[in-house]
Amino acid sequence: SQQGEEDPQALSIQEGENATMNCSYKTSINNLQWYRQNSGRGLVHLILIRSNEREKHSGRLRVTLDTSKKSSSLLITASRAADTASYFCASYTGGFKTIFGAGTRLFVKA
Amino acid sequence: GAGVSQSPRYKVAKRGQDVALRCDPISGHVSLFWYQQALGQGPEFLTYFQNEAQLDKSGLPSDRFFAERPEGSVSTLKIQRTQQEDSAVYLCASSLARPSTDTQYFGPGTRLTVL
Repeated sequence: SQQGEEDPQALSIQEGENATMNCSYKTSINNLQWYRQNSGRGLVHLILIRSNEREKHSGRLRVTLDTSKKSSSLLITASRAADTASYFCASYTGGFKTIFGAGTRLFVKA
Repeated sequence: GAGVSQSPRYKVAKRGQDVALRCDPISGHVSLFWYQQALGQGPEFLTYFQNEAQLDKSGLPSDRFFAERPEGSVSTLKIQRTQQEDSAVYLCASSLARPSTDTQYFGPGTRLTVL
């Protein structure tokens, strides 16, 4: 079974709006990563946040991590139609496994 | 390009057939991962190689699944006596070295359909 759960499952917004996706996980993590997957394609790594970090930025992306609540959020600011994709959180708990959530499907309308 | 490649991109098999899925990782990448992604779900870990050594195969769903990376580069995932529940996209990823922090680079996947 998968470790992470994402919320919402699907999100539809207008271009220019911000999109926020949330991820919850069940056990302690070493780090948490966010990936993007365009339809029919492989996953692309977006950002990694370590367990001792609370917030991280990369361009229009902002990730927060709350280890006390076992949750993370991904904020995409000023969304574009090209941001339409599925977004997955993935947690690393040690060993060799990365555990992915079920994903949030984001649709940005032009 | 120098990305991860997978072949075939699409595979249709009749129930009971054996299939072999190939992954060409990025040259020089030590770590190689296989994942299974069901429709509408996130990838699920299958197995991990460090060079030619298979260090974790805990995600393989049954003994019908077998993976190898004999020379530490190209990897093959083999599924014997395919079942309908094996229908999924099989993703391969490679990373430079450490599973803990190094970015995984994913291939486009092989979509397997078992009839």
